[in-house]
Amino acid sequence: DAGVIQSPRHEVTEMGQEVTLRCKPISGHNSLFWYRQTMMRGLELLIYFNNNVPIDDSGMPEDRFSAKMPNASFSTLKIQPSEPRDSAVYFCASTFPGLAGGNEQFFGPGTRLTVL
Amino acid sequence: GENVEQHPSTLSVQEGDSAVIKCTYSDSASNYFPWYKQELGKGPQLIIDIRSNVGEKKDQRIAVTLNKTAKHFSLHITETQPEDSAVYFCAASTGTYKYIFGTGTRLKVLA
Repeated sequence: DAGVIQSPRHEVTEMGQEVTLRCKPISGHNSLFWYRQTMMRGLELLIYFNNNVPIDDSGMPEDRFSAKMPNASFSTLKIQPSEPRDSAVYFCASTFPGLAGGNEQFFGPGTRLTVL
Repeated sequence: GENVEQHPSTLSVQEGDSAVIKCTYSDSASNYFPWYKQELGKGPQLIIDIRSNVGEKKDQRIAVTLNKTAKHFSLHITETQPEDSAVYFCAASTGTYKYIFGTGTRLKVLA
């Protein structure tokens, strides 16, 4: 298996532009997570999908952020309009039903976003 | 809500020595504690985990201990090697999907 796939790996954009990050989870996984990593705030959960349905979006910072999962093999995180403070590494992770009490989350390689 | 503190933030050890990273958590309902290793330019990768019904778990040179009473858990790496150099994150979960991550420890193994 290729693991979790994210694209693009790097994105540089100007303030005010729309940014779309993409994720393909591991086949068979039914849970998908979007995280943001910064030096100041560490790893933060932005949104969690289960069976393509958003379950918890309490971590989404503002209305400028939106996420979709149209099918089991694809998800997007969109920022519109982007701001310099959105600069971070964005990770997608997926997992599958298993033992009660926590399951390993498999992380993608991340997208490094720079907003100028 | 849950809060996870991780120490130290940076750690340098000589190759062959042991490294210990400690985390404390606040929510007594937490019952799953994974440790992730993040290498430069890559996503975090699980290296070991422990559930609340176990006090210690080992996997070759890596071990994790859990003290539920004190609400702390630790990662132990023995016989460190240069390839162990990375950022390590602890996390706590109440058994749902949500992990609360520590702030990370940058480990440097000096050859």
